[in-house]
Amino acid sequence: DTAVSQTPKYLVTQMGNDKSIKCEQNLGHDTMYWYKQDSKKFLKIMFSYNNKELIINETVPNRFSPKSPDKAHLNLHINSLELGDSAVYFCASSQLRQGLDGYTFGSGTRLTVV
Amino acid sequence: AQKITQTQPGMFVQEKEAVTLDCTYDTSDPSYGLFWYKQPSSGEMIFLIYQGSYDQQNATEGRYSLNFQKARKSANLVISASQLGDSAMYFCAMREVLTGNQFYFGTGTSLTVIP
Repeated sequence: DTAVSQTPKYLVTQMGNDKSIKCEQNLGHDTMYWYKQDSKKFLKIMFSYNNKELIINETVPNRFSPKSPDKAHLNLHINSLELGDSAVYFCASSQLRQGLDGYTFGSGTRLTVV
Repeated sequence: AQKITQTQPGMFVQEKEAVTLDCTYDTSDPSYGLFWYKQPSSGEMIFLIYQGSYDQQNATEGRYSLNFQKARKSANLVISASQLGDSAMYFCAMREVLTGNQFYFGTGTSLTVIP
C-alpha cells in the first residue's frame, strides 16, 4: 500500500497548456504539502494545507493553484505552463501537532514543459 | 540566515569506508527535530534518521548515525561501511515546534561511492 501517491509520475506538455497533478495519502495525516525541486536539486515549499485549510502559501505565481477536497487529497493545478515550470514536484504529508513528525513523500512528478 | 546549511555539494568515498556528511542548523526554538533524507537517482525521497533536540543519545539506524552536537548546532550524518547503493543525494532538514508547519531543507550533498 502506497502511503503517499502522486499521479502522474511523468508529465510532458507544451507551453501554454494547463495541467494537474494529484496527490493522495492514506496515513491519516492532517497536513499535506507541495514542494518544487529544481534542476539544482533545491527543495522549495510551495503550499501546505492542514485539514483542508491553506496554511502556507509561498511566493508562487498565481498560475499555480492547490486544491484540497479533503485532508487525504491535495492536488496542484498549473495554468499556462512555462518552460521555467519544468521541475520535479513532490507531495508530502505529516501530522501537524506539538511534536516533530517527519514528512512522508510521494515519489514525485517530473514535469517537462517543451 | 539559512536555517540549514550543507557545505559539501559533492563527496566521494571508497566502498566499505565510513563517510560524514555535514549539516549545521540555525534556530532559536528550544524544541526541534533534525532529519536526514536520501534521494537516489530514481528520485524518491527516503527518510533515514531523526534526532530530537532533547534526545540525550545520538540517533542510530543500522549503518546510519547522527553526530549531534547541540552547542555547535551541527547534525552530521555518518554512514559506516559505505555501499555502492549509498550513492545518492542526501538532504538534511529541520522542523521546529513553534513553526511546525514546514521543514527547512539544506541544499543537499551528492555522495558517490567508488568501488
